[in-house]
Amino acid sequence: GEDVEQSLFLSVREGDSSVINCTYTDSSSTYLYWYKQEPGAGLQLLTYIFSNMDMKQDQRLTVLLNKKDKHLSLRIADTQTGDSAIYFCAESMDGGATNKLIFGTGTLLAVQP
Amino acid sequence: SQTIHQWPATLVQPVGSPLSLECTVEGTSNPNLYWYRQAAGRGLQLLFYSVGIGQISSEVPQNLSASRPQDRQFILSSKKLLLSDSGFYLCAWSQGYNQPQHFGDGTRLSIL
Repeated sequence: GEDVEQSLFLSVREGDSSVINCTYTDSSSTYLYWYKQEPGAGLQLLTYIFSNMDMKQDQRLTVLLNKKDKHLSLRIADTQTGDSAIYFCAESMDGGATNKLIFGTGTLLAVQP
Repeated sequence: SQTIHQWPATLVQPVGSPLSLECTVEGTSNPNLYWYRQAAGRGLQLLFYSVGIGQISSEVPQNLSASRPQDRQFILSSKKLLLSDSGFYLCAWSQGYNQPQHFGDGTRLSIL
């Protein structure tokens, strides 16, 4: 079945690195995404990785993908208080006419000053 | 650049009343459009998607319906709201198959 799992909460100190983890179930997923949601707002696309890649870096963000273990992680370097938000991973699945995103339940990142 | 607009931002409605939420996309043509609901507990559930005018696919049986009267307009409706329809409704668009989805700011719907 379709299932994307994330830990619910992560607390880090400002300036440290944050690592948010995600596991998914569908090995045929072509893309995997990370979204950020600030309180009361919509989801902001942070980054995404194609399933034939192991790593993608974009400024302070590093995405690691382990296809064998179906494990995805998002590392945020030099975490700032403005990074406090809920982070969602999502896998893309074939839905026929379009691809569908299956979201995890989100990880609340709390950054302590 | 492309932008997506949702309104209203917040809505309080009595049980049994109708609903109409609107979403429009600018700066692109023939986008794929999506409606999601985010209930308490933060998970997002895909409700409807559309790959063209008048083409609507429903993901889950429910009290809601969707329509796409124009290329860049997506509407979520209900004839009679239930308490269980409360939640945060998000519209999203993508350029096509396997393209990233981009979300609007959402509508918070409270049913009394």
